[in-house]
Amino acid sequence: AQSVTQLGSHVSVSEGALVLLRCNYSSSVPPYLFWYVQYPNQGLQLLLKYTSAATLVKGINGFEAEFKKSETSFHLTKPSAHMSDAAEYFCAVTISTGTASKLTFGTGTRLQVTL
Amino acid sequence: KAGVTQTPRYLIKTRGQQVTLSCSPISGHRSVSWYQQTPGQGLQFLFEYFSETQRNKGNFPGRFSGRQFSNSRSEMNVSTLELGDSALYLCASRKTEPYNSPLHFGNGTRLTVT
Repeated sequence: AQSVTQLGSHVSVSEGALVLLRCNYSSSVPPYLFWYVQYPNQGLQLLLKYTSAATLVKGINGFEAEFKKSETSFHLTKPSAHMSDAAEYFCAVTISTGTASKLTFGTGTRLQVTL
Repeated sequence: KAGVTQTPRYLIKTRGQQVTLSCSPISGHRSVSWYQQTPGQGLQFLFEYFSETQRNKGNFPGRFSGRQFSNSRSEMNVSTLELGDSALYLCASRKTEPYNSPLHFGNGTRLTVT
């Protein structure tokens, strides 16, 4: 079975600093990987997705993630944090077209952005 | 284009009652999935419907059920509510082509069981 591990349940950065949210996956077959963001009292919004087309994936709001098979990682980065980036971020994985709706989510990382 | 719409946003029920939650997918999306989000268990997959048929199912008891209508709208039902069913229930829809289309989530229904 596939799984993802998000290191760090809380991450705090200063406004303007680099954002790095870690995600490692476990899968016996090539995975499809996603990052979602959740703002308070809202659902999940897709930030970006990896579907084997390119290892460096650019998403919305200046976020990007790099798929590294050798490290089984899919870390999310943003060069310069903004106050509006404060939210909870979820990494998710699925493994096949037949179960493309059945995502396995990580436990989430809450990002705090300080002045 | 309208997003995924879930109704109601908030619901309070008592133990033993049943509840029905509704979801309207994005126009043109034929696959609808349901997830439960709790502080303790995180985000967990409940089930997926496509063409009015359940295609995938998570590890939840039979008290949790769903259905999909011919217009792709979906409902989920929880019978004999327990305190532990208190959660945010998220509906998501996706295109079925291309095969790697991502899920688009609604804002959820927050269910409180007292």
